[in-house]
Order: sequence, then structure tokens, then C-alpha cells
Amino acid sequence: DQQVKQNSPSLSVQEGRISILNCDYTNSMFDYFLWYKKYPAEGPTFLISISSIKDKNEDGRFTVFLNKSAKHLSLHIVPSQPGDSAVYFCAPAKGGGADGLTFGKGTHLIIQP
Amino acid sequence: DAGVTQSPTHLIKTRGQQVTLRCSPKSGHDTVSWYQQALGQGPQFIFQYYEEEERQRGNFPDRFSGHQFPNYSSELNVNALLLGDSALYLCASSPFSVGELFFGEGSRLTVL
Repeated sequence: DQQVKQNSPSLSVQEGRISILNCDYTNSMFDYFLWYKKYPAEGPTFLISISSIKDKNEDGRFTVFLNKSAKHLSLHIVPSQPGDSAVYFCAPAKGGGADGLTFGKGTHLIIQP
Repeated sequence: DAGVTQSPTHLIKTRGQQVTLRCSPKSGHDTVSWYQQALGQGPQFIFQYYEEEERQRGNFPDRFSGHQFPNYSSELNVNALLLGDSALYLCASSPFSVGELFFGEGSRLTVL
């Protein structure tokens, strides 16, 4: 039973363009949503988060959108840079983020020069 | 300021053996969580420790156990190893009830 789905295993985007990574979830108890970024041979690094009481959160080039009725969130990166090439994980949580995270399988983002 | 450190980085065991993995949290963090990441999958939550007690547990069998020490460091123990336990084991720390976790680089376990 996959509670978190990232349906694009990989995504290729040209440098300078917008990258859009999508995530769908099924558990309506999730109330805090996080995105993590992972380079090879490193642990995941926290990128940005959003609470269920909001529908948008922005931090520099990164914006996360949450559509609770559709149980869908997306991460927008603009403009995309070569250093953004990594695996991105969507990770919802319950309890305002205090509980264990449920990770998706990840999307491998490749930024083409 | 050191981040989350894990040891060992790589290890090889055979089926039926036992393994202990260690984790030191980031300075100022009192909560430690462990995750298992199999190849091609996202990390899966094993359990979380706070105040030296297991606060929450994911869907893992009792062969997986842990401990947190007074200095907040933690151990993950896996008994009766199976081939399917081969994975990257990630430790993450945070202040209590904060969802933004800091991860270590992981311990790569191979079970033969």
C-alpha cells in the first residue's frame, strides 16, 4: 500500500527552465509535507516544507504548492541550475511533523546544460 | 559544528548474524530516527527515539531494535539478518517534534 507516489522516476530539464516535481498521497492524516534532496553517497538534505494550513510556501528558487482536496503537492524550481541535479523525495508526515516521515520513491532530476 | 555522524559506513554480514549501527546526532538535537533505504526506494521509517525511549515505530519486525543513550546518541540493532535486510541505513536527528530532519550519510549493510 503506497501512501506516497512520485510517478516520475526521472525528469530532464534544461538549465534556466522551470522544474516541476509532483507527489500524490492517499493518507488524509498527513498534515505536514517536506521535500528532501539527495546527492549520491550523501544523506537526504531538507529542502522546503509546507503545513496543511497553507497552499503555498516559497524559499528562494523553490516553491511548494499543496492541493489538499486533490491530495497533491508539487515542487517548483526556477530557474533550474546544474547543482539541482539530484534525487528529490516527497515526505509527508502526521502530527505536524513530529511523527516519522513517509517517503516517496523519489524523482531523479537531471538538469541539462 | 559536526552534523549527524554514523558508523560504520560499510559492512558485510552473513545471514543469521547480528549487526549494530551507531549514530551521533547533530549538536543540540535530542531526537533520533532511523530509516532503511533499499535500492531504488525511498527511505522507510524504522523508529524514533526521544528521552531514551522508543517514541514511535514503523512497520518493522522485532528483529529491529534500538537504544538511545543519555548523550542522545543512538544504536540500531538487527538480529537474525536476512538477505532482504541489505540496504542503506540512515540516521536522522532533530529537535523534538520538528519535522525537518538532518540525515547522516548512512551505513551500507550487505547481507550475504
